[in-house]
Amino acid sequence: LAKTTQPISMDSYEGQEVNITCSHNNIATNDYITWYQQFPSQGPRFIIQGYKTKVTNEVASLFIPADRKSSTLSLPRVSLSDTAVYYCLVAGDDKIIFGKGTRLHILP
Amino acid sequence: DAEITQSPRHKITETGRQVTLACHQTWNHNNMFWYRQDLGHGLRLIHYSYGVHDTNKGEVSDGYSVSRSNTEDLPLTLESAASSQTSVYFCASSVSGTSGGTGELFFGEGSRLTVL
Repeated sequence: LAKTTQPISMDSYEGQEVNITCSHNNIATNDYITWYQQFPSQGPRFIIQGYKTKVTNEVASLFIPADRKSSTLSLPRVSLSDTAVYYCLVAGDDKIIFGKGTRLHILP
Repeated sequence: DAEITQSPRHKITETGRQVTLACHQTWNHNNMFWYRQDLGHGLRLIHYSYGVHDTNKGEVSDGYSVSRSNTEDLPLTLESAASSQTSVYFCASSVSGTSGGTGELFFGEGSRLTVL
């Protein structure tokens, strides 16, 4: 399985756009890139998944360059409730391996 | 509404005892997973199953076992609990990804296990 590298933590302010970048240099051809969000004392929750280019849903956007060796999760206009841990995953089947994630702290 | 439930939510046990954590989902998902979460390690995959009678080892399977006798349940058993197994355990389920990609994981609320 491709390993991922993402920042351990990030701080931002309410109303800002937050971009979290993940490196996955060894991504395989059939791997997809998925992001999950986890609040304290809860299980992770799916945010978005993509294979290449850009994917957007009501919560976030995912940008994937042509070489697919990295990806960027973009959260528009964050609020205090977006404080959480964000996990970047790459997988080609349903066996999902989590990394350590990025702890995002939103400040007022 | 369909859901995934774990029990017990909290348990304290002693070293050497057998412990079983239950996981039940009503989505009729084929795939089920057990993870443990510890500070500094994130979520680590213990065991997983792609269907009835199918079980597979994950990253940290030593000391744990699972069985899948039906679609809805994947109980996790600690044969002889050790202090190193003190953790928060999450169960998850998914359907296989369609049109490529991996299925979305749906997680339970977690079971906090303390081994004294």
